[in-house]
Amino acid sequence: SQQGEEDPQALSIQEGENATMNCSYKTSINNLQWYRQNSGRGLVHLILIRSNEREKHSGRLRVTLDTSKKSSSLLITASRAADTASYFCATDRTGRRALTFGSGTRLQVQP
Amino acid sequence: EAGVTQSPTHLIKTRGQQATLRCSPISGHTSVYWYQQALGLGLQFLLWYDEGEERNRGNFPPRFSGRQFPNYSSELNVNALELEDSALYLCASSDTVGEQFFGPGTRLTVL
Repeated sequence: SQQGEEDPQALSIQEGENATMNCSYKTSINNLQWYRQNSGRGLVHLILIRSNEREKHSGRLRVTLDTSKKSSSLLITASRAADTASYFCATDRTGRRALTFGSGTRLQVQP
Repeated sequence: EAGVTQSPTHLIKTRGQQATLRCSPISGHTSVYWYQQALGLGLQFLLWYDEGEERNRGNFPPRFSGRQFPNYSSELNVNALELEDSALYLCASSDTVGEQFFGPGTRLTVL
């Protein structure tokens, strides 16, 4: 079964707005990664946050991690039509390297 | 720097046949991972190879196997193909840090 669960399942916003996606997981983790996938193609790595980190930034992306609540959020600021994609969180249990993916959030950015 | 490459892009087989998928990791990466993304089942971890050895295996039957060559490239073999093996197969590579970078995938269709 999937460890991570993204929320919401689908999100539609206008260009320029911010998009927030949430991810919850069930067991302790070593790190959490966010990926983007366009139309059933390969995954693009966005950001990795380790279990001892609380927040990380990369360009227009901001990721937070709350290990006490077993949850993470991905914020995309000033969204663009090109951000339209599915976004997945993936968790890595210590030492196993087998990423467990959530079901994804489908983001639609309207121009 | 070249990313992870996979071949072929598409593969069509019939039930009972064997499929071979290939992956070349990012230069300098020693670990290769295989994932299956089947419709309705999400992304599932298949195999992890590092330094030529199988390090971890997901919940898949033995007819899913693979190997890693001395140049760190990898093959995934699927024997006795079944209709439900139709999926996008994604390969990823990483160094010791743990961020996994994915290739574009091979779409396998079993008729």
